Amino acid sequence: EADIYQTPRYLVIGTGKKITLECSQTMGHDKMYWYQQDPGMELHLIHYSYGVNSTEKGDLSSESTVSRIRTEHFPLTLESARPSHTSQYLCASSDLGNTIYFGEGSWLTVV
Amino acid sequence: EDKVVQSPLSLVVHEGDTVTLNCSYEVTNFRSLLWYKQEKKAPTFLFMLTSSGIEKKSGRLSSILDKKELFSILNITATQTGDSAVYLCAVGNAGGTSYGKLTFGQGTILTVHP
Repeated sequence: EADIYQTPRYLVIGTGKKITLECSQTMGHDKMYWYQQDPGMELHLIHYSYGVNSTEKGDLSSESTVSRIRTEHFPLTLESARPSHTSQYLCASSDLGNTIYFGEGSWLTVV
Repeated sequence: EDKVVQSPLSLVVHEGDTVTLNCSYEVTNFRSLLWYKQEKKAPTFLFMLTSSGIEKKSGRLSSILDKKELFSILNITATQTGDSAVYLCAVGNAGGTSYGKLTFGQGTILTVHP
C-alpha cells in the first residue's frame, strides 16, 4: 500500500476563503501530481512537480497554485475559493517508472 | 494530444459473469499503460503494462497489451459485487517534459448485481 496522505478529506468553506490542501508522501518519490475530478468525470492533471522547487501547470487550467519546498510535501492553495472550485482533488506521486500512487482525495465544497 | 478511450462506458452484469473492458490509445512516445480501480475514493493501482502480449494476472483479474493495435483489455472472471467500481485506463509517455505524466480515459463503470 502506498504511503501518500491528504488532508483535509472533506471541507466545506465559504466563497472568498483561502484554503490549502495538504499532501505528503513518505516514499521519497521525486514526482508528485495534483488531479481534479468532478463526480463521474475524468481525472484531469492540474499541477505536477518533478522535484524540489519544480512545479508546472497541468493539462487543465486551474486557479490554484502549488509549491514544492520539500520532497515529501506538495500543498495546493486556492487564494479565493469559488463555487466553481467545488470538486475532488487527488494528490499522487510516482516512482521511477510511471506507476502513480494516489492519496485518498480531498472533497472540497465551496458554498 | 495524447488520447485514451475506454469502452464500454458502463456495464451491468450478474455475479459470476466474465467481463472484458477495453482501452485504446494514441500517445507519442508510449511508455506504459496502467489500469486502476476506483470505488468511492481515490483510484487504486491494478496493473502496469509495458510489453505487448505478456499477460499480467492478479486473482480473477488479468490484462494484456497490444502495442501494434494500440489497445489493452482488462478481464474480470467470476465477477463479484465487490468488483463494482469505475475502472480507469491511463497511458504514460516517455521523454521530454511529459515524462511521468499519465493521460486517463473516461473510465468504465462496472456494476455487478447479486
